[in-house]
Amino acid sequence: AQSVSQHNHHVILSEAASLELGCNYSYGGTVNLFWYVQYPGQHLQLLLKYFSGDPLVKGIKGFEAEFIKSKFSFNLRKPSVQWSDTAEYFCAVRGSQGNLIFGKGTKLSVKP
Amino acid sequence: NAGVMQNPRHLVRRRGQEARLRCSPMKGHSHVYWYRQLPEEGLKFMVYLQKENIIDESGMPKERFSAEFPKEGPSILRIQQVVRGDSAAYFCASSLPSGKQETQYFGPGTRLLVL
Repeated sequence: AQSVSQHNHHVILSEAASLELGCNYSYGGTVNLFWYVQYPGQHLQLLLKYFSGDPLVKGIKGFEAEFIKSKFSFNLRKPSVQWSDTAEYFCAVRGSQGNLIFGKGTKLSVKP
Repeated sequence: NAGVMQNPRHLVRRRGQEARLRCSPMKGHSHVYWYRQLPEEGLKFMVYLQKENIIDESGMPKERFSAEFPKEGPSILRIQQVVRGDSAAYFCASSLPSGKQETQYFGPGTRLLVL
């Protein structure tokens, strides 16, 4: 069965620290990969997506992610986090029927 | 993505009552997905609908849950005889007609609390 694993449940960083959130998926076919963010009290917003092409994907708000096929990974990165990045981050892979399969999420807390 | 509307935003029901959750997709979107988020869990797929058609309901519990997306009006997720375990946030997402390859945009969710 397809699945997504996010390694960290809760990450705490100080402002200006670099961020890397891990995501691994299990799916043998062509993958579409996504990172969504959920700010406190708000709905999910798309940060970035990978369908094909350049494995380094740039998203909004300075986020990027790298698709490494050999490692089945799609880690999210940001060189310097801000307090406003405090949120929950979800990695997802598209399933065979079009639905999204989500990881359990990583809560990011950024200390000012 | 603010264009996906869900109502109500919060819903309180007593055990045994019915819950109806509504989702209006973004303009031009004819594909709707429902997901459920339990506390401390990621979102779990429930059902995928197009207008007047259920495409995939593999994530729906077999009993008490049903979904529809009529030709006119919003998509409805209906939970009959609710139990405490149904307490969760229910999110709707919509996408363009090409469906599988399109980005899904999420609504604000309905938080259901069963007393």
